[in-house]
Amino acid sequence: GAVVSQHPSWVICKSGTSVKIECRSLDFQATTMFWYRQFPKQSLMLMATSNEGSKATYEQGVEKDKFLINHASLTLSTLTVTSAHPEDSSFYICSATGPTTYNEQFFGPGTRLTVL
Amino acid sequence: AQKVTQAQTEISVVEKEDVTLDCVYETRDTTYYLFWYKQPPSGELVFLIRRNSFDEQNEISGRYSWNFQKSTSSFNFTITASQVVDSAVYFCALTWRTDSWGKLQFGAGTQVVVTP
Repeated sequence: GAVVSQHPSWVICKSGTSVKIECRSLDFQATTMFWYRQFPKQSLMLMATSNEGSKATYEQGVEKDKFLINHASLTLSTLTVTSAHPEDSSFYICSATGPTTYNEQFFGPGTRLTVL
Repeated sequence: AQKVTQAQTEISVVEKEDVTLDCVYETRDTTYYLFWYKQPPSGELVFLIRRNSFDEQNEISGRYSWNFQKSTSSFNFTITASQVVDSAVYFCALTWRTDSWGKLQFGAGTQVVVTP
C-alpha cells in the first residue's frame, strides 16, 4: 500500500510559538491531502483539504490564519500552527490521495502536539 | 447533511467472545463509500475495509466480517473470537461524491476492550 509519513511524530512547544508539521507521500503523487485533528477520547475532525498548487479549503470553524496549510509539491504538505496555545494541543493526522490510489486515502501516523 | 453514528461508546468482552460494532450513516448522495478504521493506542489509523454504495455484499476477512444494509443505512462490523490485540478504538467513516470527494466524516468511535 501507499505510504504517508509525518514529521515530527511529537512536539512540545511553548505558548505563542509556531509549529510546523510535515506530511509526505513517499511512493505516490498526492494531488490532495487532508488534515484532521483529534482531541483526546474524541473522533477525527477534518480541518482542511489541500490540493497541490492551490489554496487550502478550510472547514467551518477552523481559523485559516492560525492553521496555515501549504501544499506546494505533489509529495509534501505542511501544517503550521501559528501562535500556538494550550487549547491547540491535539493529535494532528494527515491523509493523502492521488490519481493512482483509486479514490482511497492513506493516513500518516499522526503528530502529537503539546503546547505548554 | 452527512452523518455517521456509532452509538456504542465502549464495549468490553472477554477473549474469544464475538463483538459487533454498530454504524449508522446518513447521506443524500447515492454514490458514497463507507470505511472502518482501527486506531490502536499508538494512534495510527489502520484501514480495515472500504465498501461502495453499490456493493451490498457482506464481506469476511479472517475474524472480521461486515454487514452492509442500505435499507437500514447500516454498516456493522463483527470481530469473531476476539483477541487482546483487538483492543482499540474503531471508527466508521463515510465519504460521498458531491462536495469534495474524499472528505471523510467519522463516527465518534467505539472503544473495544478485550480482556484475557
